[in-house]
Amino acid sequence: DTGVSQDPRHKITKRGQNVTFRCDPISEHNRLYWYRQTLGQGPEFLTYFQNEAQLEKSRLLSDRFSAERPKGSFSTLEIQRTEQGDSAMYLCASSSLGAGAKETQYFGPGTRLLVL
Amino acid sequence: GEDVEQSLFLSVREGDSSVINCTYTDSSSTYLYWYKQEPGAGLQLLTYIFSNMDMKQDQRLTVLLNKKDKHLSLRIADTQTGDSAIYFCAVQFSGGYNKLIFGAGTRLAVHP
Repeated sequence: DTGVSQDPRHKITKRGQNVTFRCDPISEHNRLYWYRQTLGQGPEFLTYFQNEAQLEKSRLLSDRFSAERPKGSFSTLEIQRTEQGDSAMYLCASSSLGAGAKETQYFGPGTRLLVL
Repeated sequence: GEDVEQSLFLSVREGDSSVINCTYTDSSSTYLYWYKQEPGAGLQLLTYIFSNMDMKQDQRLTVLLNKKDKHLSLRIADTQTGDSAIYFCAVQFSGGYNKLIFGAGTRLAVHP
């Protein structure tokens, strides 16, 4: 079990450029979450996939953000026309539903985005 | 919306116990979690407690839950310098697909 992996770990881009991040969940997990963490804050929920279906999106996810999980395995998060306010750590977590509705989300190392 | 609050900073001496507190508003939450984050890293799951439990102990970690007051605490016994990190309380939101609602984190500083 290699855990949740994310790529790249760091990304510096200029305002207005598009960026794409990738998340590879733990292989047997069918649930995948994206969160965003800004400096000094806890992670905030962005979106959720169950297999390939995107079932929930936060109001934080503006039209410039799009996420996919095409085959129910890895996921991508794209930000178009980046703004300085998009600078944050983007965290991916995966899980599977266990007995008693217990669900433990395991987090990847995150992708730190800096928009200049 | 649902809210989770934590004190922002805690300083303890090596060998002492640390107690990190958290309050939340979602009374229907089923599971509550503690995560640890070291600088530049992702979140490491430390422990969790189910809402029908009052206490859970896991080696040096003790979680206490007061459901009536919606108060959660994490006690770390014999705190070591390696415990220095940010600790996040997270509540499994009952109204959606189990997304987690996080507090802002408590920075624990352990000094000799």
